[in-house]
Amino acid sequence: QQPVQSPQAVILREGEDAVINCSSSKALYSVHWYRQKHGEAPVFLMILLKGGEQKGHEKISASFNEKKQQSSLYLTASQLSYSGTYFCGTAGGNEKLTFGTGTRLTIIP
Amino acid sequence: EAQVTQNPRYLITVTGKKLTVTCSQNMNHEYMSWYRQDPGLGLRQIYYSMNVEVTDKGDVPEGYKVSRKEKRNFPLILESPSPNQTSLYFCASSPTALYGYTFGSGTRLTVV
Repeated sequence: QQPVQSPQAVILREGEDAVINCSSSKALYSVHWYRQKHGEAPVFLMILLKGGEQKGHEKISASFNEKKQQSSLYLTASQLSYSGTYFCGTAGGNEKLTFGTGTRLTIIP
Repeated sequence: EAQVTQNPRYLITVTGKKLTVTCSQNMNHEYMSWYRQDPGLGLRQIYYSMNVEVTDKGDVPEGYKVSRKEKRNFPLILESPSPNQTSLYFCASSPTALYGYTFGSGTRLTVV
């Protein structure tokens, strides 16, 4: 079953912050985050493992709450290059990685 | 350069004509997977492989076959393609379940 992402789409001005949420109905071992630009392949951003850790990648960070089976991706002071569709992927412990339907992020000058 | 290579990039075929999409990685990754991407549905897993000769079904395996005879290659086979298999296909690989996937450039398949 696919995890649910929210919002489905968001438009921001350069410099604004965004939060993308990912929620699963099953117990999770790990959560992946990817960004896909139009016409390109998804690119791996980060992985969070069971343990509730928070990770950072430049101005992009994420948290994972395995009790709530949720993860959130935080984009701070967004740049034009952050535009794209963001996907979370969830895994229950094996290699079966199930992706959400994506969140389209548009950054305008 | 470390990469996942898919071929072909674009393919138009007719219903029922068997086809194979190749996928090869040069990173010695154990895990490989196939996804299809359709508007509004995100990436859906077709099959995945944990190592040579070890494969398992993903969420949408019907109408597809895979094989993993060598660690670097993971071809996707459509024995009798149908129009509902028109989609963008991605192959991906990863060292283990604790690392992110590296995706290939994608194969856009149209079945008429």
